[in-house]
Amino acid sequence: GAVVSQHPSRVICKSGTSVKIECRSLDFQATTMFWYRQFPKKSLMLMATSNEGSKATYEQGVEKDKFLINHASLTLSTLTVTSAHPEDSSFYICSAEAGTSVDLNTQYFGPGTRLTVL
Amino acid sequence: AQSVTQLDSQVPVFEEAPVELRCNYSSSVSVYLFWYVQYPNQGLQLLLKYLSGSTLVKGINGFEAEFNKSQTSFHLRKPSVHISDTAEYFCAVRKAAGNKLTFGGGTRVLVKP
Repeated sequence: GAVVSQHPSRVICKSGTSVKIECRSLDFQATTMFWYRQFPKKSLMLMATSNEGSKATYEQGVEKDKFLINHASLTLSTLTVTSAHPEDSSFYICSAEAGTSVDLNTQYFGPGTRLTVL
Repeated sequence: AQSVTQLDSQVPVFEEAPVELRCNYSSSVSVYLFWYVQYPNQGLQLLLKYLSGSTLVKGINGFEAEFNKSQTSFHLRKPSVHISDTAEYFCAVRKAAGNKLTFGGGTRVLVKP
């Protein structure tokens, strides 16, 4: 149980284009989903927190117009990197938190998406 | 705000030897504690967590950790490592009343034959 998937696993795009990354909770309903960014050999940096049906809460320094987050259902959240530039190249990881008592207060992570902007 | 310190950035260890990864945190409120493992180019997998109850927590793959409130530590241990344990390990903390995780800097474990 508690499986989170991400799609695509890796994407290469040209500078100026937009890229959408999907995060799905496969066997549970995620009341909250989180998006992280990880630089090489570094820890995870929280970008934003999203709750189903409401606007995402962005961390300080994260551009909400550049990183669009949509959490349309209890099993799907999307991150769109708009007008991507080479500095946006990174490993993006999502996590999901279930609302059940068994997995309360625990985030389960997706496998990550490697974005390379040329 | 809470913070997490993983004292060792890298830990080389021989196969079948024990390993301990240190994690200390600071917080003014009650916290929950987690250890995650990350294999190359993959996401994070939950090893174990402490929410309440017994301070000795057993997780997957033979790992265990002990919550020590007085020392604000949550060290991870495994009595005998395998080559497959080579990975990056992250300690994380969250406020009991919140939902954001704060991660330590990570410890890279390299198991040598």
